[in-house]
Amino acid sequence: DTVLTQSALSLPVTPGEPASISCRSTQSLLYTNGYNYLNWYLQKPGQSPQLLIYLGSNRASGVPDRFSGSGSGTDFTLEITRVEAEDVGVYYCMQALQTPYTFGQGTKLEIK
Amino acid sequence: QVQLVQSGAEVKKPGASVKVSCEASGYTFSRNAINWVRQAPGQRLEWLGWINTGKGNIKYSQKFQGRVTITRDASANTVYMELSSLRSEDTAVYYCARDFNDYGFDYWGQGTLLTVSS
Repeated sequence: DTVLTQSALSLPVTPGEPASISCRSTQSLLYTNGYNYLNWYLQKPGQSPQLLIYLGSNRASGVPDRFSGSGSGTDFTLEITRVEAEDVGVYYCMQALQTPYTFGQGTKLEIK
Repeated sequence: QVQLVQSGAEVKKPGASVKVSCEASGYTFSRNAINWVRQAPGQRLEWLGWINTGKGNIKYSQKFQGRVTITRDASANTVYMELSSLRSEDTAVYYCARDFNDYGFDYWGQGTLLTVSS
C-alpha cells in the first residue's frame, strides 16, 4: 500500500502569516496521463473532510485562492498565503492513484 | 445541491454486524461511485471500499475483504455498507464520500459513529 507522510502533526500559525504542509508518498503518484493523483482535504472541528485541492494543484469549487497545491511524483506541498481564523482544522493529503486509497496522518493547523 | 445523508449512530456488541446507509441527492445517482472511509480515534482516515452506483461493480480494501459488504438500491438513491464480526477496534466514525471523476472524493456524508462495546 502507498504510505503518505505529512511533515508535521501540528502547525501553529499567526493570522495573516503563510503556512505550508508537505506530504511525501512512498510511490510516485504521477499517472501516465500527466496528472498527479494527490488531493488535499481540510477537516474543520466537528465536520466531515472537505476537498481543497485535487490532482495536486487544482482548487476545488469555492476554495479561496489563498490555498494552492504543488508538487509531482512523490513530494507535494499545500500552501496558504495568509492564514485566517477559519482555516483551523486538520489537513490531510490523500492518494487516489490506486486502491486502497490512503491518507496522510493529518496536520493540525492552530492559530497562535 | 449535492447531499449525502447517513443513518444515525449505532452501538453494537463484539461479534455483531452493522449496516450503515448513505442517501444521495442533488445529482444523478448512477454517475458517481460512492466510497466508504472510516476515522477511528487517533488514527488516520482509512478507505474501506467503493461501489460503482451505475454498473454495480465493487472494490474492497484487502484489509476488510470478507467482513465488509457494500450494496446499492438505485431506486432509493442509497448505498449501504455492512461490516460484520465487529470488534472494539472497529469503533470509528464511518463516512460515505462521492467519487469525483476518479480523482478522489468531492462530497462527504456527515458521518455515522459506530461504537463497539460489550
